[in-house]
Amino acid sequence: QMQLVQSGAEVKKPGASVKISCKASGDTFTSHYVHWVRQAPGQGLEWMGIVNPTTGSATYAQKFQGRVTMTSDTSTSTVYMDLRSLRSEDTAMYYCARDYCSGVGCYTYWYFDLWGRGTLVTVSS
Amino acid sequence: QSALTQPPSVSGSPGQSVAISCTGTNSDIGRYNRVSWYQQPPGTAPKLMIYDVSNRPSGVPDRFSGSKSGNTASLTISGLQAEDEADYYCSSYANNNSYVVFGGGTKLTVL
Repeated sequence: QMQLVQSGAEVKKPGASVKISCKASGDTFTSHYVHWVRQAPGQGLEWMGIVNPTTGSATYAQKFQGRVTMTSDTSTSTVYMDLRSLRSEDTAMYYCARDYCSGVGCYTYWYFDLWGRGTLVTVSS
Repeated sequence: QSALTQPPSVSGSPGQSVAISCTGTNSDIGRYNRVSWYQQPPGTAPKLMIYDVSNRPSGVPDRFSGSKSGNTASLTISGLQAEDEADYYCSSYANNNSYVVFGGGTKLTVL
């Protein structure tokens, strides 16, 4: 049974960067693409991007283009999400989530069947 | 403001049925069947309940069902149970630079 284990909570100042990790265990790391979704306090879900864990190739929501980088390290079965130039509006719970699609040649179905527990990022001066 | 529109709240008594609507456009729900629904109890991560409009992942009770008509998708929960109390989010693939859009969420209260 695959699990996604995320790194711990972060507190950052405006203008700083944060890098969150999401480590997969219990299944073939490269079988599923991984998405990042965030949720501001008391708010809804917001899709940020998707990363291919095999190649590290990523596609981002236009809103985050130029400010986010998603990467992968197959040696540790870990994907990362790096968000730069943080502002107070970036305060949120950040989730990694596995795409439902699996296997060779499968890209994404754009929905998520396994989620990490989330990493709370607080941006405050 | 979320791309998909959901009612902020719905409620029902145990054993009753409730439906949650999710309205999009012909660029998302109206065009694609990549519509999914997630359940999120307080303080937990979302859980996939419905995918591709009306399919249930293994382990999701058949009390949960999904449908779509035009630009509107719906999640119906029949035989309400106290454990169903949670926030519910709809989602769709969208042919724009957002790729995935969500609704603002609906809080289900079991009376």
